[in-house]
Amino acid sequence: DSGVTQTPKHLITATGQRVTLRCSPRSGDLSVYWYQQSLDQGLQFLIQYYNGEERAKGNILERFSAQQFPDLHSELNLSSLELGDSALYFCASSPGTRLAAYNEQFFGPGTRLTVL
Amino acid sequence: QKEVEQDPGPLSVPEGAIVSLNCTYSNSAFQYFMWYRQYSRKGPELLMYTYSSGNKEDGRFTAQVDKSSKYISLFIRDSQPSDSATYLCAMSAKSGGSNYKLTFGKGTLLTVNP
Repeated sequence: DSGVTQTPKHLITATGQRVTLRCSPRSGDLSVYWYQQSLDQGLQFLIQYYNGEERAKGNILERFSAQQFPDLHSELNLSSLELGDSALYFCASSPGTRLAAYNEQFFGPGTRLTVL
Repeated sequence: QKEVEQDPGPLSVPEGAIVSLNCTYSNSAFQYFMWYRQYSRKGPELLMYTYSSGNKEDGRFTAQVDKSSKYISLFIRDSQPSDSATYLCAMSAKSGGSNYKLTFGKGTLLTVNP
């Protein structure tokens, strides 16, 4: 158990809808990262927050947004959902700001999103 | 060309075999090289990371980096059924200021048969 929690575990919704994925980082970790994992694209970095502020952006669509709250939990909002958004969404946390290996990222169990 | 290439497998070996997993990369800016293990229905977990070219050993696992060839490997000795998982290579490079960006390979699915 990494100490990172994600809810819900599974989400089934329809095209055009909006969903919110939630992540609670490990106790004391200030950085939160969101990743999307699909069979064809692999694990893709979406966005990073550090202590409430956005720090880095990856391949995140404009229909997606995220935020980190004062209690350090984070939410990833996905809107106008398309079939291609079906994937596993992982949250990871680490103690510091740098997205480097020596600042190890601890991954949550993921949320499986299915868009019908 | 993708920045990080990894053969997705699947790879099936008998228990006790030596397993070799590999990734190639094209971005010379990558500085840290990592291997993650992902069990089915779980998040990835960091196995090993290295910074420089050469070998790094941790128990049955050896990570090897050849920066001149842009090639990294993970060797698993005396493989066990519990090693059955997807193995993802990952590499990091600076992405603005002091931030580093992680780029993952697609992962290789390994099955170790008893």
